[in-house]
Amino acid sequence: EIEMTQSPATLSVSPGERATLSCRASQSVSTNLAWYQQKPGQAPRLLIYGASTRATGIPARFSGSGSGTEFTLTISSLQSEDFAVYYCQQYNNWPRAFGQGTKVEIK
Amino acid sequence: EVQLLESGGGLVQPGGSLRLSCAASGFTFSNYAMSWVRQAPGKGLEWVSAISASGTSTYYVDSVKGRSTISRDNSKDTLYLQMNSLRADDTAVYHCAKIFGSGGYFPDYWGQGTLVIVSS
Repeated sequence: EIEMTQSPATLSVSPGERATLSCRASQSVSTNLAWYQQKPGQAPRLLIYGASTRATGIPARFSGSGSGTEFTLTISSLQSEDFAVYYCQQYNNWPRAFGQGTKVEIK
Repeated sequence: EVQLLESGGGLVQPGGSLRLSCAASGFTFSNYAMSWVRQAPGKGLEWVSAISASGTSTYYVDSVKGRSTISRDNSKDTLYLQMNSLRADDTAVYHCAKIFGSGGYFPDYWGQGTLVIVSS
């Protein structure tokens, strides 16, 4: 089974600043990697798939990069609505696996 | 607009059974694979199961394999998860999710979920 590890567990950022979240796979997943945002009490929302393709309606301040085992989600200028938990998920192998999440909080 | 509405959760004793349902609307249900993803209270996301558009292929995480069955009724636009021999660590919100159309089995739309509590 592939394990996904996200870092840091919590990221404290001021509004307007840049946030960089990391996701590492225990073995290569090529670019079969998605990112999700989840706010309290809400269902997750797809942000990025194919490691770098923004989903429909996702603002350009969200970008993804990486391949193989190392991936990054960057939020270029944090808005108030971006404070949430972010999960990566590999879809290269079964079973699908999520990272444990990174909470982006207001500094 | 894609809508996924789960139901069937509740309080069940260890060893008991539940059948979760997910009513889908806003897309052609029979064209898309579907999945169940769960989230224990205060924890992260865990993929549970998936089923192909036709229902002929199914996938399970090891922790539920042999205890759970995913199925679908394309005539009713409804997804199901039958869970048996429930354990305390099955306690979670169970989300139904539509799988992206092509290029990989990952969810692109999620329901709000239904809460399953396994406790005596």
